[in-house]
Amino acid sequence: KAGVTQTPRYLIKTRGQQVTLSCSPISGHRSVSWYQQTPGQGLQFLFEYFSETQRNKGNFPGRFSGRQFSNSRSEMNVSTLELGDSALYLCASSLFGGNQPQHFGDGTRLSIL
Amino acid sequence: GENVEQHPSTLSVQEGDSAVIKCTYSDSASNYFPWYKQELGKRPQLIIDIRSNVGEKKDQRIAVTLNKTAKHFSLHITETQPEDSAVYFCAASRDSSYKLIFGSGTRLLVRP
Repeated sequence: KAGVTQTPRYLIKTRGQQVTLSCSPISGHRSVSWYQQTPGQGLQFLFEYFSETQRNKGNFPGRFSGRQFSNSRSEMNVSTLELGDSALYLCASSLFGGNQPQHFGDGTRLSIL
Repeated sequence: GENVEQHPSTLSVQEGDSAVIKCTYSDSASNYFPWYKQELGKRPQLIIDIRSNVGEKKDQRIAVTLNKTAKHFSLHITETQPEDSAVYFCAASRDSSYKLIFGSGTRLLVRP
């Protein structure tokens, strides 16, 4: 069974631009969560989607948004990029979310110049 | 607010020795506690998890213990090997929160 797939793996943007990251969950998994990983803040929850509905959102500004499609694939978007948005963005999938084991993708490394 | 504290931040052990990493959570409603291992440049990998209705769980050289009263849980690795070297993260969640709260990570170094 294929794992969680994230594209692209690396991205370089400049301040003020916007970016869209993609996540394909493990086949059959309907819950997709996004996390931001930085050396200073560690792993922080961004949002979680199930059946195209956002069920929870972390403490990030409105510049961070996401969505989920009917095939469970998910995208996250960051607008008006800031230097502090440089991070590894990780996607995780699970069968139904909640207290189910979550499996991570390799992440997208976003660098802001 | 919800918080998970993890100690130590770094741990160096001799190959064959045991390693213990401890986490404390603040939300008393937390009832699911996974542990992840992240090697350099790789994805976090789920290595073991425990639910609040269980006090201990083992999987070969890895075990996790949970003390609900004290709100802390620990990862125990026995007979450590160099390939155990990685950053380990604990996490906690509760029903209907749909999110994991992570600890700050422990960098484990196993010296050959």
